[in-house]
Amino acid sequence: DTGVSQNPRHKITKRGQNVTFRCDPISEHNRLYWYRQTLGQGPEFLTYFQNEAQLEKSRLLSDRFSAERPKGSFSTLEIQRTEQGDSAMYLCASSEQGLGTEAFFGQGTRLTVV
Amino acid sequence: DQQVKQNSPSLSVQEGRISILNCDYTNSMFDYFLWYKKYPAEGPTFLISISSIKDKNEDGRFTVFLNKSAKHLSLHIVPSQPGDSAVYFCAATLYSSASKIIFGSGTRLSIRP
Repeated sequence: DTGVSQNPRHKITKRGQNVTFRCDPISEHNRLYWYRQTLGQGPEFLTYFQNEAQLEKSRLLSDRFSAERPKGSFSTLEIQRTEQGDSAMYLCASSEQGLGTEAFFGQGTRLTVV
Repeated sequence: DQQVKQNSPSLSVQEGRISILNCDYTNSMFDYFLWYKKYPAEGPTFLISISSIKDKNEDGRFTVFLNKSAKHLSLHIVPSQPGDSAVYFCAATLYSSASKIIFGSGTRLSIRP
């Protein structure tokens, strides 16, 4: 296992289209996070899962955003009807429960909405 | 409501000298703090952490200090090396309640020769 994997690395989409990103966490990690990062800002929390349960969603996560982790392994983040303001780096991270909360990040998916 | 604040967007330090990055937080319930380092086009990588029951944690050239009464933590890098040039994020969480990790806005550290 080489770490957290995110696909695709880059996505360019037209405004109004739907996009889906995938995250494969480190295999023994049961906690999975999604963050969004824009230029000059730190990662902003979007949502996180404990196994397959989605425990918390940020106010930033509008109705157009949905995340799933169906079997407690990989996760998907879908954005419907994309807007230019959705352009950002979307970061996934995973961690173990109860052994410190150091989260390990993937390389991110950079979304550009044109 | 920005609960974790890094008020210095950038810092330039001469190679071999000490780099000190600062971070303030507002939520007194935070009990675990982390520093991450980020290079361009990569995700953040974990650097060092500290529990609220400690006031110092050291790992090689990196030391994190926590002042709970001031709600302030700092990361010291000594000696600074060119490879340390990156963006550094301070983060905090409520470990005891398995909560999310909240990040500051980052400080860009540049190590000059």
